[in-house]
Amino acid sequence: EAQVTQNPRYLITVTGKKLTVTCSQNMNHEYMSWYRQDPGLGLRQIYYSMNVEVTDKGDVPEGYKVSRKEKRNFPLILESPSPNQTSLYFCASSQGSGANVLTFGAGSRLTVL
Amino acid sequence: AQSVTQLDSQVPVFEEAPVELRCNYSSSVSVYLFWYVQYPNQGLQLLLKYLSGSTLVKGINGFEAEFNKSQTSFHLRKPSVHISDTAEYFCAVIRTGGGNKLTFGTGTQLKVEL
Repeated sequence: EAQVTQNPRYLITVTGKKLTVTCSQNMNHEYMSWYRQDPGLGLRQIYYSMNVEVTDKGDVPEGYKVSRKEKRNFPLILESPSPNQTSLYFCASSQGSGANVLTFGAGSRLTVL
Repeated sequence: AQSVTQLDSQVPVFEEAPVELRCNYSSSVSVYLFWYVQYPNQGLQLLLKYLSGSTLVKGINGFEAEFNKSQTSFHLRKPSVHISDTAEYFCAVIRTGGGNKLTFGTGTQLKVEL
């Protein structure tokens, strides 16, 4: 089954404790992206990647890092999480950008205390 | 840069009634337009998209949307809603010709009641 898999689905952590949210897709997609969803703000793009070793900032990149060493994986790294990073995170992928339809993961709910 | 406005944060409607969810966009260049739906505790999935051609686009589950360039709108409609349509709906836009940043609206929560 074609899918985007995110882990963990739920996480409660404390301020300053580094964490990584993994994202993997099995569709050989070139384009991958991370979004955060907050009430009243919709989805905002954090980072995106056009292909292996090609990443770029989205609209809200502060406090996050990403890497794209393999085509299928696009982890989101929070080096020193803060409470304002408490949010619902989505990874998505598509064959390319532009008119191509995004396939979303099920989401990762992160709480930073 | 493009932007998307969904004026209605919540739309309550009775089952079998028609519904319209409004979306307006702003862009200095031509764009592609999308509607995504998010059912409770799930990721987003595509309802429909406008790339070019006919301005009336039909999607899954009986939804349709009409692209209106002069009014920069892409409103979503369904003639008769069902309880299972209760979800959050997001309008999104990306510029044509190499755009790589899909911009989402803030979402409209559709609540269908008996």
